[in-house]
Amino acid sequence: EPEVTQTPSHQVTQMGQEVILRCVPISNHLYFYWYRQILGQKVEFLVSFYNNEISEKSEIFDDQFSVERPDGSNFTLKIRSTKLEDSAMYFCASSVGGSSYEQYFGPGTRLTVT
Amino acid sequence: SQKIEQNSEALNIQEGKTATLTCNYTNYSPAYLQWYRQDPGRGPVFLLLIRENEKEKRKERLKVTFDTTLKQSLFHITASQPADSATYLCALRNSGYSTLTFGKGTMLLVSP
Repeated sequence: EPEVTQTPSHQVTQMGQEVILRCVPISNHLYFYWYRQILGQKVEFLVSFYNNEISEKSEIFDDQFSVERPDGSNFTLKIRSTKLEDSAMYFCASSVGGSSYEQYFGPGTRLTVT
Repeated sequence: SQKIEQNSEALNIQEGKTATLTCNYTNYSPAYLQWYRQDPGRGPVFLLLIRENEKEKRKERLKVTFDTTLKQSLFHITASQPADSATYLCALRNSGYSTLTFGKGTMLLVSP
């Protein structure tokens, strides 16, 4: 069964450093998403991406964040200058259609900012 | 303000019983409501989707109801098993928006 994959599974970085989190969505899916989950908190929407552009973003997704689909398979989230409060689990998800369709989540990348 | 509320306390039930989880929302007009399962340290896994014009949806041992008047969805697992132990998340999309918003989830513990 096809699945969303994410790398790395765990990333440790120092405050102020840039990180890139990588995702390979399911191949025939057209919509891609990033979410984050701070330990013990709810899953929070960051951004959705369709047709090579951002379709929607939350207040969390400020100028330090960016997304890219550099080729036909990868979908990346870049955090330019990490802060301690960026420490969280970051989930990539994809869906065939928009939000009326179920989303398939990856296993997540645990980001620890020290 | 908009809220999605799920029971914050864990639900403990015995194997074989029916588990019922609640999702209440305020200041939303959801077009769709979805239920996901999340195991510790893992990503959410889609279970069921119900549309605003549907009252009930079933899939194997799972049943979801959606009452837009009460602004509530109930999620039932019949003949529960220890393997059903997980956190169950309610998520909804407001009409006119594409963003999926999650509740904090309810932990279900099924004991043998």
